[in-house]
Amino acid sequence: NAGVTQTPKFQVLKTGQSMTLQCAQDMNHNSMYWYRQDPGMGLRLIYYSASEGTTDKGEVPNGYNVSRLNKREFSLRLESAAPSQTSVYFCASSEVRLAGGYYEQYFGPGTRLTVT
Amino acid sequence: SQQGEEDPQALSIQEGENATMNCSYKTSINNLQWYRQNSGRGLVHLILIRSNEREKHSGRLRVTLDTSKKSSSLLITASRAADTASYFCATVPPLVFGKGTRLSVIA
Repeated sequence: NAGVTQTPKFQVLKTGQSMTLQCAQDMNHNSMYWYRQDPGMGLRLIYYSASEGTTDKGEVPNGYNVSRLNKREFSLRLESAAPSQTSVYFCASSEVRLAGGYYEQYFGPGTRLTVT
Repeated sequence: SQQGEEDPQALSIQEGENATMNCSYKTSINNLQWYRQNSGRGLVHLILIRSNEREKHSGRLRVTLDTSKKSSSLLITASRAADTASYFCATVPPLVFGKGTRLSVIA
């Protein structure tokens, strides 16, 4: 099992360009998440998908859109990249949330994005 | 807004010593999770403790939870150089990560 995979690993964009970060998991998890990690800020949730067909905003959704393509895949799109979106982006997946609790999350290796 | 806050921000110890890091949070939780992140890599889940549990062990890891003080601690015993990493607590609900403790274990 590959676990959670992300592509690309590195990306440099110019301000205003668009791109899509891809994420796939092979653990049959229902829930998937996108985070960004900035130095000294920990991880901040951008969007999540509790189950196939649903998506919800997290703490920092502005400037991003997501698509839950199927149970395996969850993509993150930057429509018009800005320097403030320079960050490391992590995708994660977990079992379905139950009664307010969460199962452990499994993380991908990350995508390092630089916007100039 | 961060729910969990780790303390200290950085910790440097000798190999073989124990490492203790703490996490404080603000609101009621269902469970609290600890994760490790090696430099440049994704996070790896270490241990989950539920709100009705007070202590949990996993190998060299010991986690405690005090819901009255809204705090948790992670103890790594007999540390190794390979334990060098950042450690994050995550409180649930919602699933919010703290800023992490950077642990350096010197051989």
